[in-house]
Amino acid sequence: SAVISQKPSRDICQRGTSLTIQCQVDSQVTMMFWYRQQPGQSLTLIATANQGSEATYESGFVIDKFPISRPNLTFSTLTVSNMSPEDSSIYLCSVEGRVADTQYFGPGTRLTVL
Amino acid sequence: AQTVTQSQPEMSVQEAETVTLSCTYDTSENNYYLFWYKQPPSRQMILVIRQEAYKQQNATENRFSVNFQKAAKSFSLKISDSQLGDTAMYFCAFIPMNRDDKIIFGKGTRLHILP
Repeated sequence: SAVISQKPSRDICQRGTSLTIQCQVDSQVTMMFWYRQQPGQSLTLIATANQGSEATYESGFVIDKFPISRPNLTFSTLTVSNMSPEDSSIYLCSVEGRVADTQYFGPGTRLTVL
Repeated sequence: AQTVTQSQPEMSVQEAETVTLSCTYDTSENNYYLFWYKQPPSRQMILVIRQEAYKQQNATENRFSVNFQKAAKSFSLKISDSQLGDTAMYFCAFIPMNRDDKIIFGKGTRLHILP
């Protein structure tokens, strides 16, 4: 499986600020995804990060709030903009590995918004 | 709509015992994959086991095995000789095969292994 890293691993931010989370993979992958996991909950897909084009957002998530970049096949960023306490969550990136339709996850970023 | 249901929000077992986590799903698809992911307190989601729906043989990975009942749409996870390190949230997940559908996760089962 691919080795996936995320930065930062955790952060505490003030309301109204923005945070950019990085996801780096040790091999080229076609599909990269960003998820949100609110406290005690399951995972919710935010968007699919497409290389060379705009991300595909799920219902309830918009580009202005969660801009995503995918400059190449090994890297993506997710920005959480104009944060509020409701954005406090774990944010995870995942990739589809060599095994079809199987996702592998990064270690996650724990975000706390005060 | 496709759904994944985990009916046990929380379970506790003694170390070395065997435990079974339940998962049922609903789909009209015939070809799909099923997964169990483990999320320990470190929060990393770790793939435990994967099952292709077209395979009748149940997948196994060391102490982890599944009981896949396609007709009943059931996909339970059995952990044998449980260890303290098995303490985690366990998520059952489903995705249709070879399509651009998103993976669907259950709500999770929190498993505590007691010393």
